[in-house]
Amino acid sequence: NAGVTQTPKFRVLKTGQSMTLLCAQDMNHEYMYWYRQDPGMGLRLIHYSVGEGTTAKGEVPDGYNVSRLKKQNFLLGLESAAPSQTSVYFCASSQSNEQFFGPGTRLTVL
Amino acid sequence: TQLLEQSPQFLSIQEGENLTVYCNSSSVFSSLQWYRQEPGEGPVLLVTVVTGGEVKKLKRLTFQFGDARKDSSLHITAAQPGDTGLYLCAGASGGSNYKLTFGKGTLLTVNP
Repeated sequence: NAGVTQTPKFRVLKTGQSMTLLCAQDMNHEYMYWYRQDPGMGLRLIHYSVGEGTTAKGEVPDGYNVSRLKKQNFLLGLESAAPSQTSVYFCASSQSNEQFFGPGTRLTVL
Repeated sequence: TQLLEQSPQFLSIQEGENLTVYCNSSSVFSSLQWYRQEPGEGPVLLVTVVTGGEVKKLKRLTFQFGDARKDSSLHITAAQPGDTGLYLCAGASGGSNYKLTFGKGTLLTVNP
């Protein structure tokens, strides 16, 4: 099993560009999450999903959109990237309260 | 908003020393978890504590959940360079056991 995978691993964007981060899990987990991690700020929840076709806002949802069309995939979109969105993004999945994390995507917005 | 405060924020010690890191809150959690994150990777679960006063041991690591389920500690005995990493505590509360609140972490460096 691959667990949780994220693509891409690195990305550089210019302000105003858009992109989608893809998260995939092969553990048949119901719940999936997107976090961002910034120095001194810990992990902050952006959006999450409690099942296929559902999404909900987390702590810092502004500027991001998500979709969960298939149970195994959770997409994070940035419609118009801003320098404040420079961060490391982690996807996670769970079936209970143990979350399994992907390796992260390092995004830089210039 | 529930907050988890971790201390210290940074800790640099020599191999063989003992250390304790803390995770404190004013809120009650139904369970509390500790994760370790190594550079360039995602966090990995070390342990989950559920019962107030619970103590769990994982080799040289000892985890304790406070009696009131508001705080936790992680004690490492005879630290090794392989223990280096970011230690994160995370709490679950109420009916949303699937949604966690993370502390900001303790960055531990163990020097050989």
